Amino acid sequence: EFVLTQSPGTLYLSPGERATLSCRASQSVSSSYVAWYQQKRGQAPRLLIQGASSRAPGIPERFSGSGSGTDFTLTISRLEPEDFAVYYCQRYGGSALYTFGQGTSLEIK
Amino acid sequence: QITLKESGPTLVKPTQTLTLTCSFSGFSLSTNGVGLAWVRQPPGKALEWLALIYWDGDDRYSPSLKNRLAITSDTSRSHVVLTMTNMDPVDTATYYCAHKNDAGNFDYWGQGSLVTVSS
Repeated sequence: EFVLTQSPGTLYLSPGERATLSCRASQSVSSSYVAWYQQKRGQAPRLLIQGASSRAPGIPERFSGSGSGTDFTLTISRLEPEDFAVYYCQRYGGSALYTFGQGTSLEIK
Repeated sequence: QITLKESGPTLVKPTQTLTLTCSFSGFSLSTNGVGLAWVRQPPGKALEWLALIYWDGDDRYSPSLKNRLAITSDTSRSHVVLTMTNMDPVDTATYYCAHKNDAGNFDYWGQGSLVTVSS
């Protein structure tokens, strides 16, 4: 069974700091099929990154994605107050077609 | 502008069948590469993909739920319907519909519809 494991589960940072979120796949994944979403409380998810490193339209430059194989990273260069939310990685493809990670909650320190 | 909105019951009883409708505008489900998916999220938990219907009518389901799910489209009226049989309290969740783009990702989402399963 294919699994995406995100770490840490919760990340406590302050505005202005850099955030690094990890997503590890249980088997190698084509970077073309890795995406990241942001979900604020009470809202639907929002697509941030697709193809592992391409920002979706309208996404600020402070958000960047990287990685290959089994390890992928979402980086937020300088946190803004509106960035504190839950972040999910996702893979498209395979027998389950879509798999989401369990999420990383980014909270204000 | 692409918009999606889910509608359906807020409360269903165990063993009943859930029927949810996604009404959308701003795109055609007949356009090559387009798809519409259902994703759910139990309270306080992660996202879980359920089903997807492609522009050509092909459909895909979560392996763990495929025996309970059906997704259909009515392109002339811009609706997609998800049915889930034999509902259980563990199926309590917010159900979202989402537009799949050419890259396979969900770039537009509905606001979500909270469904509670309880007797």
